Parts: sequence; C-alpha cells; structure tokens
Amino acid sequence: GAVVSQHPSRVICKSGTSVKIECRSLDFQATTMFWYRQFPKQSLMLMATSNEGSKATYEQGVEKDKFLINHASLTLSTLTVTSAHPEDSSFYICSARAGGNDYEQYFGPGTRLTVT
Amino acid sequence: GQNIDQPTEMTATEGAIVQINCTYQTSGFNGLFWYQQHAGEAPTFLSYNVLDGLEEKGRFSSFLSRSKGYSYLLLKELQMKDSASYLCAVLDSNYQLIWGAGTKLIIKP
Repeated sequence: GAVVSQHPSRVICKSGTSVKIECRSLDFQATTMFWYRQFPKQSLMLMATSNEGSKATYEQGVEKDKFLINHASLTLSTLTVTSAHPEDSSFYICSARAGGNDYEQYFGPGTRLTVT
Repeated sequence: GQNIDQPTEMTATEGAIVQINCTYQTSGFNGLFWYQQHAGEAPTFLSYNVLDGLEEKGRFSSFLSRSKGYSYLLLKELQMKDSASYLCAVLDSNYQLIWGAGTKLIIKP
C-alpha cells in the first residue's frame, strides 16, 4: 500500500525558533499533499493544500507567513513553523494523494511539536 | 455551508456490535470515507463508499445512502483495541475532503 513518512516524529524547540517538518511519499508520487493540525481531543484541522510546483492554498485563519509550505517534488513536502510560540504546540499530520482517480488520502504518522 | 455530523462519543461492550452514524450536507458528493484514529496517532483508512449500499470488510462494514445524506460504520465483535476515534469525511464536488469532528468510541470489558 501507499506509505507516507514524516520526520521528525517528535520535536521540542524554544520559543522564537523555527522548525521544519518533512513529509515524504515513499512508494508513489503525490500530486497533492495536505497539512493538518490537531489539538488534544479535537478533530483534524486542515491547514493547507499543496500541489507540486505551485504555491500552497491556505485555509482561512492560517498564517501563510508563519507556516511555510514547500512542495518541491512529487514525493516531498515540508512545513516550516517560523518563530514558534507555545500556542503552536500541536500534533501536525501530513497526508498525500496520488491523483488520477485515487482520492484517498494516505496519512503520515504525525509530528508532535512542543514549543517551550 | 458544508456540514458533517456524527456523535461525539459512544460507549460499547467488548464482543458487542456498535453503529456509528454520519450525516452530511455538502456541495456535491464524490464519495465518503471512514478513518480510524487512535490517540496520538495519525488516521488510518477503513472504508470508501461512493455507491449506495453496504460494503463489508471483515468485522467492519460501511453503509451509504446518498439520497438521505447518510452513512454508518458498523463494528462487530468489538475488541478493546477498537477503542479509538472514528472520522467520517466526504469528498465534495471539488474533490476536497470535508471532515466530521469524529466519534470517540469507548469499549468496556
């Protein structure tokens, strides 16, 4: 089946620093990748959708200058949380879609970010 | 607007059967997904329905009625490991996934 990896799985950083999270599709080419955030005991919240080679589409209320998304290839997308603050502490999950008639989203294992 | 409703929490007994309902109002419909999510983990795919009817896959079955905007996920022979959140998501006319808030299922011995 389609496998998506995410790195790192956990990261702790100091307030004001930036953190980069990588999302890779290991055995398929992902035309579209999605970034979600999930706070404890809450549902998934879509942050942005990115298509390879084009700018990401951000959901309302998500600061594009704070959450930088790069989808440089069909197998890699990165999310950079810039100038992180404690309120950015959350579970960040990426998913990837192969495209064509395959609309299933294959999820990465998630990244737990803690900002101290 | 687009809306997906599912119960917030359900409790069931080990070995029993539970049905988790999902109703939706979306701009267009291109299929409905069910995902399972254990605490602290990413969602995993359970089922995809695009035509009316029941799809059975082992202990899990998913039903869809497009005319009623309704789906359910049926879990049989419940096991403790089935304790998780179950997410209903609809693919709308733009092929974007609209997510429900999820149903937390608690299994008791």
